[in-house]
Amino acid sequence: GAGVSQSPSNKVTEKGKDVELRCDPISGHTALYWYRQSLGQGLEFLIYFQGNSAPDKSGLPSDRFSAERTGGSVSTLTIQRTQQEDSAVYLCASSRERRNEKLFFGSGTQLSVL
Amino acid sequence: ELKVEQNPLFLSMQEGKNYTIYCNYSTTSDRLYWYRQDPGKSLESLFVLLSNGAVKQEGRLMASLDTKARLSTLHITAAVHDLSATYFCAASNINNAGNMLTFGGGTRLMVKP
Repeated sequence: GAGVSQSPSNKVTEKGKDVELRCDPISGHTALYWYRQSLGQGLEFLIYFQGNSAPDKSGLPSDRFSAERTGGSVSTLTIQRTQQEDSAVYLCASSRERRNEKLFFGSGTQLSVL
Repeated sequence: ELKVEQNPLFLSMQEGKNYTIYCNYSTTSDRLYWYRQDPGKSLESLFVLLSNGAVKQEGRLMASLDTKARLSTLHITAAVHDLSATYFCAASNINNAGNMLTFGGGTRLMVKP
């Protein structure tokens, strides 16, 4: 079946602009995660959605970052008033509900803030 | 706070050689994952280790977990060029619901012919 789909694959924006990144998880996966990968760095957790529960936003770096998940499926990560330090690859992952299920990652959105 | 450290960060090796990547984590974790990432690509799941003493093997890669030492290893046997990639380990925080993972910084592996 289809994997995790992210769009756009690349986004170039000017400092101060808002951007929206989209993630379409694997069908049937109730858990959805956003991670950020900066150049040469590991993955930094941003936010986690599980079913209808309140999301875990503990990884969001500032109040300029927000995310929503509509209908328990598609998620949108929004970055307001982008800064150059926001430049990174934003990865979305999904998994089944159980704790020992592995995460399936999308191909990511490469965000460049000029 | 759960922290995950990998070493080495960079590994250059000859084809046919063996080597081990180490992954240490700071607090109790009930799951340890290994992922592979090729340049410009996303992460591919390699192994999920769920219990102390767990060992899993796939081709030339073997992963193990020692929960008492808070250590996981990824052993590479008779490396081939196709194994060149960045390898990440990730641990889950036992106090967190769901599968939220904390990743190590990655080990960039280059296998030379």
